[in-house]
Amino acid sequence: AQSVTQLDSHVSVSEGTPVLLRCNYSSSYSPSLFWYVQHPNKGLQLLLKYTSAATLVKGINGFEAEFKKSETSFHLTKPSAHMSDAAEYFCVVSTINDYKLSFGAGTTVTVRA
Amino acid sequence: GAVVSQHPSWVICKSGTSVKIECRSLDFQATTMFWYRQFPKQSLMLMATSNEGSKATYEQGVEKDKFLINHASLTLSTLTVTSAHPEDSSFYICSATATGDGYTFGSGTRLTVV
Repeated sequence: AQSVTQLDSHVSVSEGTPVLLRCNYSSSYSPSLFWYVQHPNKGLQLLLKYTSAATLVKGINGFEAEFKKSETSFHLTKPSAHMSDAAEYFCVVSTINDYKLSFGAGTTVTVRA
Repeated sequence: GAVVSQHPSWVICKSGTSVKIECRSLDFQATTMFWYRQFPKQSLMLMATSNEGSKATYEQGVEKDKFLINHASLTLSTLTVTSAHPEDSSFYICSATATGDGYTFGSGTRLTVV
């Protein structure tokens, strides 16, 4: 079975400071992992994905994530937060045999001016 | 890039009526489409998985007779909420994949049943 745990339900940062969103996963197989962002009343936008290639994955809008198999983690970072980064972020793992996605509970990011 | 169009973006309907939500993959053929429900401040809950030309597979606890899913072509899946009631009010989101390596989400539908 696949599952994802997002360790922080809410993260608050000042504009221009780094952002760290933590995610741990559980998977019986080599997982595919994703980070999505959702703005209010909108669908989900893919930030980045890991699919067994490079362990450091660069995504859109300056985000990146590092896959650490030994720690079963896939934390998302951004060096400098922008006001537009305020949103809900989901860490997601896919099930290899039926394409199903397992979502974390989400992390709400607020950015202070 | 891959684009999924979901329509309508919001709908208000009277209790007891049915509502259809469409999910279209615009530039790729979606072998598998998924329907999710999202309550306020919560994560996405998978309702069902549909493959083109076959019956949808519903998650445990989801009423298949209330939430009718049709995946008639590789680019279109529909979710019909039948005999809607206020407790069906929610945000519904579809997603589509061709290979399982990438998933594209629709922009969601806000359903309000009055």
